[in-house]
Amino acid sequence: AQSVSQHNHHVILSEAASLELGCNYSYGGTVNLFWYVQYPGQHLQLLLKYFSGDPLVKGIKGFEAEFIKSKFSFNLRKPSVQWSDTAEYFCAVNTNTGNQFYFGTGTSLTVIP
Amino acid sequence: ETGVTQTPRHLVMGMTNKKSLKCEQHLGHNAMYWYKQSAKKPLELMFVYNFKEQTENNSVPSRFSPECPNSSHLFLHLHTLQPEDSALYLCASSQDRAGRRNTEAFFGQGTRLTVV
Repeated sequence: AQSVSQHNHHVILSEAASLELGCNYSYGGTVNLFWYVQYPGQHLQLLLKYFSGDPLVKGIKGFEAEFIKSKFSFNLRKPSVQWSDTAEYFCAVNTNTGNQFYFGTGTSLTVIP
Repeated sequence: ETGVTQTPRHLVMGMTNKKSLKCEQHLGHNAMYWYKQSAKKPLELMFVYNFKEQTENNSVPSRFSPECPNSSHLFLHLHTLQPEDSALYLCASSQDRAGRRNTEAFFGQGTRLTVV
């Protein structure tokens, strides 16, 4: 089975700091990649997605992610975080032959005002 | 409003009870999923349905029984659960099966289940 690794379990940043959350996956074939965010008490929402084309993907709220195929990575970045970015972030993968979305364990981000 | 509605939002049940979780999607999607979310673990896929047919059962114990009467509704029937089954149960849907081009998952808000 495919696996997704998120290396940072809990990140604490001050407002205006830059953010990078790591995500690595195990599948060697064609993949689709996603980052989801879960704000406190809310449902999982899609931040951004990659299916093909430009490996640098821009999402909502100033987030972006870069697909590096040789490193099996899809790291999430934001140049300047805000208090409202405090949430749980999940990386997800599916494969073009598969039937499900595989998720990482999530990274809890706390932004201090 | 996510387009995927789950009821109830919270459920406390005894180990001998029988209860059901309901999921309804208003997005016209053809695939629906049940996931289990426990603390410090990846979201754990339980079941997948495509066009009302179950296409994935991720070795889920038989005390969890899914039902998909049509493409818009998904149920999870629960009976004789254990305390370790306490978790957030998430329903999701996608336009097409996961893995097809441009297919993303849309999630409901989940049912917080506590087994006592």
